Amino acid sequence: AQKVTQAQTEISVVEKEDVTLDCVYETRDTTYYLFWYKQPPSGELVFLIRRNSFDEQNEISGRYSWNFQKSTSSFNFTITASQVVDSAVYFCALSEGPSGGSNYKLTFGKGTLLTVNP
Amino acid sequence: DAGITQSPRYKITETGRQVTLMCHQTWSHSYMFWYRQDLGHGLRLIYYSAAADITDKGEVPDGYVVSRSKTENFPLTLESATRSQTSVYFCASSVRGESYEQYFGPGTRLTVT
Repeated sequence: AQKVTQAQTEISVVEKEDVTLDCVYETRDTTYYLFWYKQPPSGELVFLIRRNSFDEQNEISGRYSWNFQKSTSSFNFTITASQVVDSAVYFCALSEGPSGGSNYKLTFGKGTLLTVNP
Repeated sequence: DAGITQSPRYKITETGRQVTLMCHQTWSHSYMFWYRQDLGHGLRLIYYSAAADITDKGEVPDGYVVSRSKTENFPLTLESATRSQTSVYFCASSVRGESYEQYFGPGTRLTVT
């Protein structure tokens, strides 16, 4: 069964600090997909990034970067020079491929609450 | 406006009543999903649908019923609401299944008294 672990329940930083949110996943499938979502205080879920298991290239989008390492089953998310608007709950999620039997189920971690203080 | 909408946004109902949460998307996405979000549990899949008239159970389907007669609509019905169904419910849609990101509606906060 697929599983996503976000060990950090809450993180608090001061504005302009860099912060890394950890995500460790478990799957028996060789084809799978990883996602990060952001849930700001307003409550909506915002898609940030998708990664497939065959693409281990790191990705950078502005102040956001993602480090995908299959060897450690991790898909960590770094915010550089954090801002107050980054305050949110961040979810990592995993979806297995057709052979994984997950029936398109998106399994979420329990989320990390990031608070960026001014 | 294009996107995915949910109604109502807030609902208070009594134990034993039937309540239906609506979800509508304008992207013509094939897949639609219902999740519930509870403190300590994160998001859990209730039901999903791969296309009109095709639905299947997720992780926590008991007490819920879904239908999908049209591609754009995916209502979720609580046949006899219980207090344990107090939660925030999110609808989502996706172009395809596992390999594509899901886009979420704004959520419905349901309280069962």
